Amino acid sequence: DAGVIQSPRHEVTEMGQEVTLRCKPISGHDYLFWYRQTMMRGLELLIYFNNNVPIDDSGMPEDRFSAKMPNASFSTLKIQPSEPRDSAVYFCACKVDAGNTIYFGEGSWLTVV
Amino acid sequence: QKEVEQDPGPLSVPEGAIVSLNCTYSNSAFQYFMWYRQYSRKGPELLMYTYSSGNKEDGRFTAQVDKSSKYISLFIRDSQPSDSATYLCAMGLSGNTPLVFGKGTRLSVIA
Repeated sequence: DAGVIQSPRHEVTEMGQEVTLRCKPISGHDYLFWYRQTMMRGLELLIYFNNNVPIDDSGMPEDRFSAKMPNASFSTLKIQPSEPRDSAVYFCACKVDAGNTIYFGEGSWLTVV
Repeated sequence: QKEVEQDPGPLSVPEGAIVSLNCTYSNSAFQYFMWYRQYSRKGPELLMYTYSSGNKEDGRFTAQVDKSSKYISLFIRDSQPSDSATYLCAMGLSGNTPLVFGKGTRLSVIA
């Protein structure tokens, strides 16, 4: 398996623009997580899905953030409008239902100027 | 108090040194404990996984859990430059609740 695939790997955008981050989880993994990592706050859980259904979005910082999982092989994290403080690395991760190990993608490096 | 506390470092050691990385936690309900390793510009990957108090060894790595003190450690023996990375502790309540991560400790092993 190719692992968790995220795109884009790097994005630089201007404040106010819409940003869409994409994730393809490992086939057969029932749980999908979106994390944000910064030096100051470390790795923060934003939202997670089980069988494509959002379970907990309490980590989403503001209404500017939204996430969808239309099917088992695809998820998006959208920021609209983006702000400089959204600059971070965004990770998608997944796990199987019966397991504890979370598998991470390589991250999407977002810079908002 | 945060649920998981981890000194961010950075920690710099000479090649061959023994490295000790630590986390403390406040929630006594945590059942399993993990260490993830994150190389620069990469995603975290699982390094060690323990379910109970005591030690678990895997090559040069030893994970130690002390539930009574709410303290976990990762020891690296004969450290190598290739061990240079950020090490994140993580812990969980059950298989279907998200892991709680420490902030990570950045380690540099100097040749």
